[in-house]
Amino acid sequence: KAGVTQTPRYLIKTRGQQVTLSCSPISGHRSVSWYQQTPGQGLQFLFEYFSETQRNKGNFPGRFSGRQFSNSRSEMNVSTLELGDSALYLCASSLGWQGETQYFGPGTRLLVL
Amino acid sequence: AQTVTQSQPEMSVQEAETVTLSCTYDTSESDYYLFWYKQPPSRQMILVIRQEAYKQQNATENRFSVNFQKAAKSFSLKISDSQLGDAAMYFCALEGQGGSEKLVFGKGTKLTVNP
Repeated sequence: KAGVTQTPRYLIKTRGQQVTLSCSPISGHRSVSWYQQTPGQGLQFLFEYFSETQRNKGNFPGRFSGRQFSNSRSEMNVSTLELGDSALYLCASSLGWQGETQYFGPGTRLLVL
Repeated sequence: AQTVTQSQPEMSVQEAETVTLSCTYDTSESDYYLFWYKQPPSRQMILVIRQEAYKQQNATENRFSVNFQKAAKSFSLKISDSQLGDAAMYFCALEGQGGSEKLVFGKGTKLTVNP
């Protein structure tokens, strides 16, 4: 089976712009979660989607949003980018929504200038 | 709130030796899941081992094993016969049964393997 894929892998944006990141889960996986990784804050949970519904949301401002499509693919959007949004954004998928092992994609590295 | 603490920012081990990475956690949930993930320089997060809190038996995966002490809320990872490919950041993570925050990660331990 193909692993979790994320596009694009690298992205450079300027402050104030918006960005959309995409994640394709492992075939058959219905849960997709997003995490932000920065040197200062470490790995932080953004949100989780299961069967097109947002199940959980981390402590991030409303500029961060996401959605999941019927084929389980997910996108996350960040509007009005700030310098502090520069990070590695990781997507993970799992079969179910509780206690299942999450399999991570390679990440999208976002640099905001 | 659930928290995960890794008290060792960096560790080093000689090739073929054994090393133990520490992790403590805090949760009010009665049932939860614990994980160790490895992140090599490629940044790809890879599952090392998974433990279900209701299982008393410590999980093992080849050279990797855990010492799960539920009462002490401790979940350490032991790597036996260390190999150069084991060099990476290791993250301990917790998922509560309530699933309110999905995975909560520790700050990580950077493991160096010396030849």
